[in-house]
Amino acid sequence: NAGVTQTPKFQVLKTGQSMTLQCAQDMNHNSMYWYRQDPGMGLRLIYYSASEGTTDKGEVPNGYNVSRLNKREFSLRLESAAPSQTSVYFCASSVNRQYEQYFGPGTRLTVT
Amino acid sequence: DQQVKQNSPSLSVQEGRISILNCDYTNSMFDYFLWYKKYPAEGPTFLISISSIKDKNEDGRFTVFLNKSAKHLSLHIVPSQPGDSAVYFCAAYAAGNKLTFGGGTRVLVKP
Repeated sequence: NAGVTQTPKFQVLKTGQSMTLQCAQDMNHNSMYWYRQDPGMGLRLIYYSASEGTTDKGEVPNGYNVSRLNKREFSLRLESAAPSQTSVYFCASSVNRQYEQYFGPGTRLTVT
Repeated sequence: DQQVKQNSPSLSVQEGRISILNCDYTNSMFDYFLWYKKYPAEGPTFLISISSIKDKNEDGRFTVFLNKSAKHLSLHIVPSQPGDSAVYFCAAYAAGNKLTFGGGTRVLVKP
């Protein structure tokens, strides 16, 4: 079991470029989440998918879009990257509840 | 407005002694609380949780205490070990809502 995997691990973008962060889980979890972590801010929820076929905005959704491709995969897209989106991005999944979430290793994104 | 606050950004403790991490919250609707541990370059991992109907939960060296009237919870690590050096996040959940995280406390356990 790989758990939650994320690609890429690191990425540098120029302002205005676009990219997609990939996330996959092999635990047969229904719910998946995207967070960003900034110094002193903890983890803030960007988008989540309570179940396959549904997505909802979290606390900081502006500038992002998501796709729940199937039960395993949940991608995060930055259409036009901005320096304010420089952060570490974590994908997580949980069985159904939002209680014990399992996190991937993260993607460190820098936008110049 | 941070609903979950960890007011101590860092904590240094000697190996074998107790580490006490604190967390305050403002939303009285929170009914489930969790602690996550995070090593550098890794994702957070679930450590221990407590329901609002309890005031204490213990798992090995880790104990979480909840004081609902003060809207305060704490994590005790006894005895502290060098491998406990990490960032610890407090998180809280209200039914039907999202998990809300605190800003984290970096713990350094000195040998």
